[in-house]
Amino acid sequence: SSELTQDPAVSVALGQTVRITCQGDSLRGYYASWYQQKPGQAPRLVIYGKNNRPSGIPDRFSGSSSGNTASLTITGAQAEDEADYYCYSRDSSANHVVFGGGTKLTVL
Amino acid sequence: QVQLVESGGGVVQPGRSLRLSCAASGFTFSTYAMHWVRQAPGKGLEWVTIISYDGNTKYYADSVKGRFTISRDNSKNTLYLQMNSLRAEDTAVYYCARENGGGNSFPLDYWGQGMLVTVSS
Repeated sequence: SSELTQDPAVSVALGQTVRITCQGDSLRGYYASWYQQKPGQAPRLVIYGKNNRPSGIPDRFSGSSSGNTASLTITGAQAEDEADYYCYSRDSSANHVVFGGGTKLTVL
Repeated sequence: QVQLVESGGGVVQPGRSLRLSCAASGFTFSTYAMHWVRQAPGKGLEWVTIISYDGNTKYYADSVKGRFTISRDNSKNTLYLQMNSLRAEDTAVYYCARENGGGNSFPLDYWGQGMLVTVSS
């Protein structure tokens, strides 16, 4: 099955912009979705489809995709955005689902 | 509002079985595909299995194929995960999640709170 690759850790200064990326062959055929997870909590969907935010997700979160790479961008990162972020997609066969390994975001 | 509530977790010996349940409310359960996702302590998310809205199609991760069985009872708005031949590496928090897919996008838009399963002698 396919894999999705994420950088293990990224940091950003408070108020600055950060991009978290996800690479994998399955992303050529399926959109990624992105999940935020804080310690002790269930994951929460933050971006899906071409660039859609569920209700309640701040508009500083946005998504994009090109070729085999999907990106989650936080414009004006806040302290409360410090969390683990996971990308997710169907795999190329559509019979399985795959998560990226996760990116730990630190807001300095 | 949409709610997913897992139950049935706990401590179990290696080789034994356990069944998790996920009670759904606040939406028309019978029209959504559902997933189980797990997270081992200190590790990332791992997809486990998916079941179609009508229960006729199921897929499994290689790590659980042949040992775990997903099922659903749409009359009871409940999702199940039967886990047999449990191993220490199955120790994880197990989440049920709703898929709200369409086109080329299949997001998991609602998640349960998670249920810890510990496999230990």
